[in-house]
Amino acid sequence: ETGVTQTPRHLVMGMTNKKSLKCEQHLGHNAMYWYKQSAKKPLELMFVYNFKEQTENNSVPSRFSPECPNSSHLFLHLHTLQPEDSALYLCASSQDTGGFNSPLHFGNGTRLTVT
Amino acid sequence: GQQLNQSPQSMFIQEGEDVSMNCTSSSIFNTWLWYKQEPGEGPVLLIALYKAGELTSNGRLTAQFGITRKDSFLNISASIPSDVGIYFCAGSRSSNTGKLIFGQGTTLQVKP
Repeated sequence: ETGVTQTPRHLVMGMTNKKSLKCEQHLGHNAMYWYKQSAKKPLELMFVYNFKEQTENNSVPSRFSPECPNSSHLFLHLHTLQPEDSALYLCASSQDTGGFNSPLHFGNGTRLTVT
Repeated sequence: GQQLNQSPQSMFIQEGEDVSMNCTSSSIFNTWLWYKQEPGEGPVLLIALYKAGELTSNGRLTAQFGITRKDSFLNISASIPSDVGIYFCAGSRSSNTGKLIFGQGTTLQVKP
């Protein structure tokens, strides 16, 4: 079992749909992250949560809405997306956000296609 | 914004050959990490470097944190077919190793 589990693995949605991505980590970590991976571009940090509190929003459009009910679960709510939002969305966790020796552990991602 | 320049962009090598890739930045980083991503999976951490000049090995992989703190390299010795994938460097300018800046990736293909 992987330490960070993401569902669904694939998602196709229309621009008027509302959907949610889910991430769960079983590593006992306190920090969770959303990254976006687009073709031919570096991974882009979207949001950071530490002990359930959002500590970073990397200028992400409001059509992406994160939710972190506890340190083990992270959601990304999607609403009125654009085709250019199609990408692989990766969740990650780390022990915390402020210490050394606390590297990211990634899930396998959700492949999102917006039609 | 801050960028990491990773090279080469892709490599196609013969099994058994050694591989070298590197990342450079115009700014100083406090942490360098190397990840590997295989198709359909998320990136997996290979090596983490926390100190300038540090040289760390993980099996056939060796990575170094450049003395200037602006670069890092990853070497793979005696490549095998399962080394195929995309290798990413990532750096952090703070002690927060979650706020990583990623390179564009090096796609490695190994011919048996």
